[in-house]
Amino acid sequence: GAVVSQHPSWVICKSGTSVKIECRSLDFQATTMFWYRQFPKQSLMLMATSNEGSKATYEQGVEKDKFLINHASLTLSTLTVTSAHPEDSSFYICSARGLQDEAFFGQGTRLTVV
Amino acid sequence: GQNIDQPTEMTATEGAIVQINCTYQTSGFNGLFWYQQHAGEAPTFLSYNVLDGLEEKGRFSSFLSRSKGYSYLLLKELQMKDSASYLCAVKDSGYSTLTFGKGTMLLVSP
Repeated sequence: GAVVSQHPSWVICKSGTSVKIECRSLDFQATTMFWYRQFPKQSLMLMATSNEGSKATYEQGVEKDKFLINHASLTLSTLTVTSAHPEDSSFYICSARGLQDEAFFGQGTRLTVV
Repeated sequence: GQNIDQPTEMTATEGAIVQINCTYQTSGFNGLFWYQQHAGEAPTFLSYNVLDGLEEKGRFSSFLSRSKGYSYLLLKELQMKDSASYLCAVKDSGYSTLTFGKGTMLLVSP
């Protein structure tokens, strides 16, 4: 199956700083990638749809100025959490779409803001 | 809107069979997916159903009834490593995004 690589797998940052998370499709071109957030014992919640060469589409309630998404190439999408606060601590996961529209997920990034 | 329901937790014994149910009410439907997620890891794809019936893949099978808005994931010959959360996800008709249920935490005991 398709391989999606996400980096870093975990990060600890100070409150007020920014963190960038990368999501790469390793063996295919992904014009669309998805960013999810998952709090402990909760389901995956879609944050935004990342489109190569155009602006991302954000879900209701997600601040686009806080969660910056860039999809500059067919193999790379980045999510930057700006001015992070403790409430932003969560598990962030990216995915790319397969041929059956199934989601192939990256390894996830555990963000802890202290 | 979308509403997807799964049991929160289930327990079973090694070697047994377990069925995890999923019901959904969605404005559109273009496929149902099952994923396995171990703690602290990303979900991995298990199965995909778009037509009614049973899809078998090794120890795992998935069933869909579109008229009833119902699916189940059947796990046979349970192993300890099957202890994980199992997520049901529905794809909107005409869109590529998936809506996930809250997941069913399965605990397999010796």
